[in-house]
Amino acid sequence: DTAVSQTPKYLVTQMGNDKSIKCEQNLGHDTMYWYKQDSKKFLKIMFSYNNKELIINETVPNRFSPKSPDKAHLNLHINSLELGDSAVYFCASSLEQGYYGYTFGSGTRLTVV
Amino acid sequence: SQQGEEDPQALSIQEGENATMNCSYKTSINNLQWYRQNSGRGLVHLILIRSNEREKHSGRLRVTLDTSKKSSSLLITASRAADTASYFCAARSQGGKLIFGQGTELSVKP
Repeated sequence: DTAVSQTPKYLVTQMGNDKSIKCEQNLGHDTMYWYKQDSKKFLKIMFSYNNKELIINETVPNRFSPKSPDKAHLNLHINSLELGDSAVYFCASSLEQGYYGYTFGSGTRLTVV
Repeated sequence: SQQGEEDPQALSIQEGENATMNCSYKTSINNLQWYRQNSGRGLVHLILIRSNEREKHSGRLRVTLDTSKKSSSLLITASRAADTASYFCAARSQGGKLIFGQGTELSVKP
C-alpha cells in the first residue's frame, strides 16, 4: 500500500548504458515530479507532469527523458549514462502542482561506474 | 538560481531542547513547505504555510513566515533523538515550481 513507489531502489551501471527508473503513485494525485539529489543533498527539480502533460522541464541533458503513460505513472529514462549522473533520484506527487504538500518516493540511488 | 537557503547548515542539541532552523528565499511565493529526510530515505512533508499566513503549528512544530523579509523559520520544541534528520524548506513559486533549500542537518543527542 505504498503511496509513491519507485523501482529499482539501487542501480549500478556502467558508463554509456541506458537505464530506466519507474515511479507509480496510488494517491490519486494529478501531478508527478522527478527530483535529483546530489552528494551534498541538494534537491533539484528535473521534470513535472500534470495529468500526463509535461509542465516543468528544467535544464537537464537531452539524455534524460520522462514518460507518463497515465497520471499514476511517471518513468525516467536515461541514455548514455555518465559518471556525473550518479545521484539519488526521487519521484514525488502532489495535488494541484504544489498547492499542497508533496509525497515522495524512497528514492533510487544511481551509481555510474 | 537556488530558491531557498537554510541556516544553520548543521545543528547539534540535547534531547529536550528546542531546535530552530531558518530559511530564506528569493522570489514571490505561493506557499512554503518544510520536509524531513532521514538518512537514506525519502522526504516527508511536515507542514505547509501559505503566503497569507504568518504562523502555523502542528504538534511540536511551529512555522513562521515573513514575506517582507522572504524568510521562514521552523521550531521543533522538546526535541527527541528520533528528530535527528535533515530538514528542508521548499518555496512554491507563483510559477508552480517547488524549489528546495540545501537543508539543515539536525542531530539530537540523548
